Amino acid sequence: DIQVTQSPSSVSASVGDRVTITCRASQDISNWLAWYQQKPGKAPKLLIYAASSLQSGVPSRFSGSGSGTDFILTINSLQPEDFATYYCQQANSFPRTFGQGTKVEIK
Amino acid sequence: EVQLMESGGGLVQPGRSLRLSCAAYGFTFSNYAMNWVRQAPGKGLEWVSSISDSGRTTYYGDSVKGRFTISRDNSKNMVYLQMDSLRGEDTALYYCAKDVWGSGRRQSNWFDPWGQGTLVTVSS
Repeated sequence: DIQVTQSPSSVSASVGDRVTITCRASQDISNWLAWYQQKPGKAPKLLIYAASSLQSGVPSRFSGSGSGTDFILTINSLQPEDFATYYCQQANSFPRTFGQGTKVEIK
Repeated sequence: EVQLMESGGGLVQPGRSLRLSCAAYGFTFSNYAMNWVRQAPGKGLEWVSSISDSGRTTYYGDSVKGRFTISRDNSKNMVYLQMDSLRGEDTALYYCAKDVWGSGRRQSNWFDPWGQGTLVTVSS
């Protein structure tokens, strides 16, 4: 199975900051990676797919980059509604696997 | 508007069975693969199972393989998860999620949207 490891597990940031979250796959997954946002008590929401494609309706301050084994989610100019937990997920092979999550907290 | 509504969760004893249902609205159901993802209380996301648009192809996570069965009824816009031989570690909120890419493309890659989930608690 492909393991995906996120870092950091949590980050404290202020409104207006740029936040970056990293996801590393245990083997080459090309660009088969997605990013999700989950707010407390809510279902996850897809932000980015195919490593860098923005899902419809997602603000452009979210961006994704990377290929192979190393990927980054960047949130530019953090907004109050962005405080949440973020997960990466690989789609290169079955079983699909998620990272352990990164909680973005208010500093 | 695309909507997914899960049902069927509840409290069940270890070793017993439960069937979850997911009703889909607002899209051509038969054109999309469907997926189940779970989240144990206070924990992260775990992919459980996927089924192709036609229902002919299914996939399972290692922890549920041989115990869970995914199925769909395209005439009713429903997807199901039959869960047998339940264990305490199956306790979780179970989400149904729609594939982003439709028929003709590689399936079960990206999941959006998700339902609100149905809670399964396995305990004696």
